[in-house]
Amino acid sequence: NAGVTQTPKFQVLKTGQSMTLQCAQDMNHEYMSWYRQDPGMGLRLIHYSVGAGITDQGEVPNGYNVSRSTTEDFPLRLLSAAPSQTSVYFCASRLLMGTEAFFGQGTRLTVV
Amino acid sequence: SQQGEEDPQALSIQEGENATMNCSYKTSINNLQWYRQNSGRGLVHLILIRSNEREKHSGRLRVTLDTSKKSSSLLITASRAADTASYFCAINSRDDKIIFGKGTRLHILP
Repeated sequence: NAGVTQTPKFQVLKTGQSMTLQCAQDMNHEYMSWYRQDPGMGLRLIHYSVGAGITDQGEVPNGYNVSRSTTEDFPLRLLSAAPSQTSVYFCASRLLMGTEAFFGQGTRLTVV
Repeated sequence: SQQGEEDPQALSIQEGENATMNCSYKTSINNLQWYRQNSGRGLVHLILIRSNEREKHSGRLRVTLDTSKKSSSLLITASRAADTASYFCAINSRDDKIIFGKGTRLHILP
């Protein structure tokens, strides 16, 4: 099993550009989520999904879109990148109802 | 905010000593989880304690939970250089989200 795979590992965007961060898991987990990690802020939940076709907002959803067309994939789209979105982004997956989360290795995004 | 709050923010101890980190939270929980993050890497799950449990052990880790005080502690015994990392508590809320605290940076001195 590869676990949770995120691509790319690093990305530099110009303000106003759009891009998609990819996340895939091969553990047949229902629950997938995106977090951003900023210095001194811990991890903050952006969006999450409890299954294919179902998504919902987390603590900091503005400026991000998600979709879940399959159980395996949960891409995160930045519609118009802003410097405030410079961060490290983590995708995580787990079974439902409070089980442990498995994390990808992260995408380090810089918006200039 | 529902998130857990870890204390202290940073901790430096000598190798071989015990390290204790605390977490406080504000909401009702299904369980509380602790994760470790090595520099530049993703988070790795360490231990999960359910709301009806008071103490749990895993190797050199000991976690306690006091739901009346809404607090938890993580004890790492006989610390090693490899334990140097950031440690996060995460609450699993009643609506099944996992919300993280800001973490404790642990540095083990040789």
